Amino acid sequence: QKEVEQNSGPLSVPEGAIASLNCTYSDRGSQSFFWYRQYSGKSPELIMSIYSNGDKEDGRFTAQLNKASQYVSLLIRDSQPSDSATYLCAAPGHNAGNNRKLIWGLGTSLAVNP
Amino acid sequence: DGGITQSPKYLFRKEGQNVTLSCEQNLNHDAMYWYRQDPGQGLRLIYYSQIVNDFQKGDIAEGYSVSREKKESFPLTVTSAQKNPTAFYLCASSIVAENEQFFGPGTRLTVL
Repeated sequence: QKEVEQNSGPLSVPEGAIASLNCTYSDRGSQSFFWYRQYSGKSPELIMSIYSNGDKEDGRFTAQLNKASQYVSLLIRDSQPSDSATYLCAAPGHNAGNNRKLIWGLGTSLAVNP
Repeated sequence: DGGITQSPKYLFRKEGQNVTLSCEQNLNHDAMYWYRQDPGQGLRLIYYSQIVNDFQKGDIAEGYSVSREKKESFPLTVTSAQKNPTAFYLCASSIVAENEQFFGPGTRLTVL
């Protein structure tokens, strides 16, 4: 059973701080990883995709991938109260045959305090 | 504007009734998905379709049915066999399976 694991939190940071969210995965064959943000009562929204080892930056967001250690992280710089949400990590399930889908973590709840 | 639409936004159903949730996309995506999310819980995959006229069961398919007659549409029927159908239902699509998925706004189903 392929798995994606996240610390459920809640993670609480003060406004302006760096929030660090982590995700580990079990399938060494996974080649791509996705971070989604989900506000309460809303649908998930894709915020970052990462495909190769190292860092990928987009505005205040940085995704970091370490395939050897099988983890992917999301850093949010200058955290704002509007960043308060649940962050979901997803990776492809690298199954044999025709059964291809994303495997989802349960999400980490982030609270940014003014 | 390209995107995914789901209707209705809120749906109320009496016990014993079947109900169909609509999902339409104009992104020209091959793959479509249905998820269920309960309060404070993660996403659970109900059904998915990688191509027209083909679909596979997800992790919690019992009590649900789908069809994929058109590339743009992937309706989900919640049948009376689903014992606890009250939940937030999310439809998503991707260019192909394993790529990033894009979500519709969701349908909140309440069984009275």
